[in-house]
Amino acid sequence: GQNIDQPTEMTATEGAIVQINCTYQTSGFNGLFWYQQHAGEAPTFLSYNVLDGLEEKGRFSSFLSRSKGYSYLLLKELQMKDSASYLCAVRDGDYKLSFGAGTTVTVRA
Amino acid sequence: IAGITQAPTSQILAAGRRMTLRCTQDMRHNAMYWYRQDLGLGLRLIHYSNTAGTTGKGEVPDGYSVSRANTDDFPLTLASAVPSQTSVYFCASSEASGSFEQFFGPGTRLTVL
Repeated sequence: GQNIDQPTEMTATEGAIVQINCTYQTSGFNGLFWYQQHAGEAPTFLSYNVLDGLEEKGRFSSFLSRSKGYSYLLLKELQMKDSASYLCAVRDGDYKLSFGAGTTVTVRA
Repeated sequence: IAGITQAPTSQILAAGRRMTLRCTQDMRHNAMYWYRQDLGLGLRLIHYSNTAGTTGKGEVPDGYSVSRANTDDFPLTLASAVPSQTSVYFCASSEASGSFEQFFGPGTRLTVL
């Protein structure tokens, strides 16, 4: 089976940095995704890591360590619009993704 | 149509009734998926299809069926709805190559009474 863990909630101040950790134990590994989901909306793609290291995309960065079964999503210069759920998902072998339960980030002024 | 559409947006259904949730994509993606999302449990895969004419079971397939007659459409049917099927249902699609990034539809909120 698949086991993907991430914190349930995080709170941070506008302009700050927040790091969302994700650990996984899966039967296979072919890439890790991060999605953003605003309340009442569909998930939207943020990042994809298949090799170890850091992928940077504007204010968002994602890191992967395959040997440790670990990833994080780093959100910099937080804005109020970043208040959302962030979903970690692993592609274990073919097309399918297994999702963590999601981390709700609240940005306060 | 741009991307993925789902219908209906929301539905209240009596237990025991049959219901089909519709999903259509115009990106010519080979792979399509159905998820349910429940508070505290995240997205769970119900069924998937790697290409037209083939389907497979996901993590929580019981009580649901799918068909994939063509590339664009992937309907999800609840043969006899039960209250535990109250959830938000998302359809998604992806290419069959590269990162397999999934694109999600807007969701259907289903309440079974």
